[in-house]
Amino acid sequence: KAGVTQTPRYLIKTRGQQVTLSCSPISGHRSVSWYQQTPGQGLQFLFEYFSETQRNKGNFPGRFSGRQFSNSRSEMNVSTLELGDSALYLCASSLNNRANEQFFGPGTRLTVL
Amino acid sequence: LAKTTQPISMDSYEGQEVNITCSHNNIATNDYITWYQQFPSQGPRFIIQGYKTKVTNEVASLFIPADRKSSTLSLPRVSLSDTAVYYCLVGDWNTDKLIFGTGTRLQVFP
Repeated sequence: KAGVTQTPRYLIKTRGQQVTLSCSPISGHRSVSWYQQTPGQGLQFLFEYFSETQRNKGNFPGRFSGRQFSNSRSEMNVSTLELGDSALYLCASSLNNRANEQFFGPGTRLTVL
Repeated sequence: LAKTTQPISMDSYEGQEVNITCSHNNIATNDYITWYQQFPSQGPRFIIQGYKTKVTNEVASLFIPADRKSSTLSLPRVSLSDTAVYYCLVGDWNTDKLIFGTGTRLQVFP
């Protein structure tokens, strides 16, 4: 069974721009969570979507948003990019909720110049 | 939210058993304990999950004392490929956010 896929794998943007990252969960998985990983802050939870609804949200500003489609694919958007948004963005899917075993994708490496 | 505390790093040699302990003094009744492994440039990978006592799978064992204020991940006979960062997470089964701590960087030497 195919794993979690994320596109693009690498992205370079400049301050002020906006970016959209995509995640395709494992077939049959309905929960998709997003995380930001930086050397200084580690892995931080952004938000979780289940059945096209945001079910949980971490402590990130409103510039970070997401959505989930009926096929469980998810996108996250970051507007008005800042230098500090440079990070590895990881998507994870699980069958029903995050307490289930989560399967992580390879991540999207975002660099903001 | 239960906060976890783990050693920042640990060293071991091939063939040894490695035990990584995680403290979670404020764990709540509905919280489960989960461990993930992460290699550089990859997403974390689920290792094991438990609620109390002992859980064992093909790669690791998880020991949880009766008060559940700590847990110990045990990796039997580590190899060089076990060099990674190991995260302990504590979270509610239904409603809570899973919070990753700083993790423990395990270095296995030949």
